[in-house]
Parts: sequence; structure tokens; C-alpha cells
Amino acid sequence: DAGVTQSPTHLIKTRGQQVTLRCSPKSGHDTVSWYQQALGQGPQFIFQYYEEEERQRGNFPDRFSGHQFPNYSSELNVNALLLGDSALYLCASSLGERGADTQYFGPGTRLTVL
Amino acid sequence: AQSVAQPEDQVNVAEGNPLTVKCTYSVSGNPYLFWYVQYPNRGLQFLLKYITGDNLVKGSYGFEAEFNKSQTSFHLKKPSALVSDSALYFCAVERNNFNKFYFGSGTKLNVKP
Repeated sequence: DAGVTQSPTHLIKTRGQQVTLRCSPKSGHDTVSWYQQALGQGPQFIFQYYEEEERQRGNFPDRFSGHQFPNYSSELNVNALLLGDSALYLCASSLGERGADTQYFGPGTRLTVL
Repeated sequence: AQSVAQPEDQVNVAEGNPLTVKCTYSVSGNPYLFWYVQYPNRGLQFLLKYITGDNLVKGSYGFEAEFNKSQTSFHLKKPSALVSDSALYFCAVERNNFNKFYFGSGTKLNVKP
């Protein structure tokens, strides 16, 4: 049973560029959440997708956008990259949009903005 | 506003001794509480959760946690620490039915042989 997978593993971009990160949820899961984890901090919730719609959003600017596909996989897009966007980006999947479901995390994508 | 506090940046314990990693929360409504562990350059791995029922929750690798509503705490415990338990531990709270996790800043657990 494949767990949550993310690609790429590492990414280096320069300020002002745009980036797309990808996530495939755990088999049987239909909900995908994205988190940003800056160095030395806990993960911060970006947004959650369920039924191909953004259902919840954290305190992140509109430069952060996403998409969910019919197969439940998801993309996170970040436009106009800033140095402060350098972080580990984690994808988590769960079953259903209601609470109490355990979120299972992927290994993350390490984004470095120069 | 929902929040989680992990008051200790680091906890040091000798192998074989009991360990406690502290977590307090602030959330409106009934909380769902979770503990995750993160090893270097890895994602977060689920340990245990409290949703309702018995205040003492048992999870993976011998870990357990006690939900204390009056003290709004959810401390992680293990009777006998292993060197392999050394990692970064995160407490998370979810407001009932909102499926949005709020994480603490993490506690680094060091278990010395």
C-alpha cells in the first residue's frame, strides 16, 4: 500500500519565479492538505482540497494556490517566489473532509529560494 | 484562535528512563489532539490521537498520551525511553470537524545511552 508521495524531493528557484509541487495521496484517501514547515518551526497549514475544491485555507497570500485532480492527486503552486518561501512543503492525505481523520504525511519537498 | 504550545524546545532523558513531552492547547469547542514524530529529512509520522472517550490514549512504539480537559493538556509519555526515540515531536490540535491542523513548534527529544 503506497503512502503519500511528493515530487520533487528538492527544488532550487530564484526570487520572482514560480514553482509547482506535486502530491499523490495514500491509497483510498480523497482529501489533501498542504503545509509549510520553515526551519525550526512546526508545520503551518496552507490549504486543503476535497472534491477538487479548496475547502479550508490558512493565513497564506494568494500567491499560494492549488489544484486537486479527479484521481485525488494535488498540486501546490507558488508565484512570485520570495526568500521567505524557502521551507519544507508537506502534503498530507486523509479520508473525508470531516474532522478526526488522521492525516498521513509525505516526505516533503525542500524548496530553496535564492 | 486555535493554538498549541510545546513549552520545551528540548527534552533530555537517559535510555530506560520514563519520558514526558508536554503539550497544551487552546481551541474553541471540542478538540481533536494528535502527536506526530519527525525524523531528520523525513515527513511527519503519526503516533496517536485523542478524539473522545478514555483520556489515556495508547499509540505506536509504546507511546501514550493523557488528555486533561481541565488543564487543556495532552502530554506524550513513554515508560522506558530508547535511543531510537530521539527525534522531533509535534503536538497538533484540530477544531472539531474543521479538519485543519494547528501544530506546535516541536520538541526535540534526546535519549542518551
